[in-house]
Amino acid sequence: AQKITQTQPGMFVQEKEAVTLDCTYDTSDPSYGLFWYKQPSSGEMIFLIYQGSYDQQNATEGRYSLNFQKARKSANLVISASQLGDSAMYFCAMRDASGTDKLIFGTGTRLQVFP
Amino acid sequence: NAGVTQTPKFRVLKTGQSMTLLCAQDMNHEYMYWYRQDPGMGLRLIHYSVGEGTTAKGEVPDGYNVSRLKKQNFLLGLESAAPSQTSVYFCASSRDRAMVQPQHFGDGTRLSIL
Repeated sequence: AQKITQTQPGMFVQEKEAVTLDCTYDTSDPSYGLFWYKQPSSGEMIFLIYQGSYDQQNATEGRYSLNFQKARKSANLVISASQLGDSAMYFCAMRDASGTDKLIFGTGTRLQVFP
Repeated sequence: NAGVTQTPKFRVLKTGQSMTLLCAQDMNHEYMYWYRQDPGMGLRLIHYSVGEGTTAKGEVPDGYNVSRLKKQNFLLGLESAAPSQTSVYFCASSRDRAMVQPQHFGDGTRLSIL
């Protein structure tokens, strides 16, 4: 069965520092997609970044980058130069290849950025 | 550009009452989903639809029904609400089965069952 594991319930980082949020996954499908979403205290789910299983390079989107290590089945989110507005819950998710397009979510990591 | 709109945003029900949550998307997406979010458990898929007139069960479908009579709308029904259904409900949509397309989420509906 496919599974996403986020082992860090909470993380703290000082403003302007970089932080890595861990995500490991388990799947037997060779084709899959990995996503990170941000959920601020207001509750909405905001798409951040995507990594495909066949992508040769790690995905980057502005201050967000994904450290994709396929052999280790990890897809860690790196946020550079943290800002106070980055304080939120972060969810790692995997899209399965069965054709339903559904997302399987991890339990999330709460990031708090302090001045 | 509204994206995915959920109504209502908040609702309090008594055990045994019924209600329908509405999800509307204006992006002409084929795929639509209903998730629930509970503390410490991330989001779990309730039901989904891969096109107008089609629905399928997700991970936690019991106690819910859905309908997709129009492509832009996906309705989630609770026939007889139970306290265990107290949760935050998210609707999402995506364009197609391409792996690279993110799902777009609504802002959520906070539902409390007393």
